[in-house]
Amino acid sequence: QVTLRESGPALVKPTQTLTLTCTFSGFSLSTSGMSVSWIRQPPGKALEWLAHIDWDDDKYYSTSLQTRLTISKDTSKNQVVLTMTNMDPVDTATYYCARMRADIALAFDYWGQGTLVTVSS
Amino acid sequence: DIQMTQSPSSLSASVGDRVTITCRASQSIRSYLNWYQQKPGKAPKLLIYAASSLQSGVPARFSGSGSGTDFTLSINSLQPEDFATYFCQQSYSTPPTFGQGTKVVIK
Repeated sequence: QVTLRESGPALVKPTQTLTLTCTFSGFSLSTSGMSVSWIRQPPGKALEWLAHIDWDDDKYYSTSLQTRLTISKDTSKNQVVLTMTNMDPVDTATYYCARMRADIALAFDYWGQGTLVTVSS
Repeated sequence: DIQMTQSPSSLSASVGDRVTITCRASQSIRSYLNWYQQKPGKAPKLLIYAASSLQSGVPARFSGSGSGTDFTLSINSLQPEDFATYFCQQSYSTPPTFGQGTKVVIK
């Protein structure tokens, strides 16, 4: 049974750094073709992909946010961590982690429940 | 980045109706098109991958078609639990991008 769960602060101040952790089970991120992505959704808006990390440690970032994002994995702990620097109120959103599989056209087949992050002073 | 445009942005329908949602890509994405359903306060759920493949556990009333730039999600005989927002997503190139969503509401 595949599960993912996001954890991190619910409230951050402008200019602070956000650190989110995705803890997953039911699969290994050392398996060929597996990836974990971070995706966010501002209230009432569409989904925005942020970053993903592959089984072989390749990393990819949103073009518009790449200078602020860092993604990493700890395979032994089944965790993927995303940091986002210089947070702004426009970054207020629900942040999801999701599994991506190469054998199903790189679709996101399992998602965490999401964590709402509010940026406010 | 590849832009994904969905239409309509919302639609009203009755239980038992057939519903069709369209997604257009700004360039060819072959068949790298996925569809998700999202209910309020919940994470998206994968319905269709690779344009027309039904994800395991998804009812057969959902179907997808298309290739290149134009794609369709169809729901046959709409059920009460199908009232939700639907998103398309291209996985042809990085960054993966999503459509703006289509909200299906009860008529």
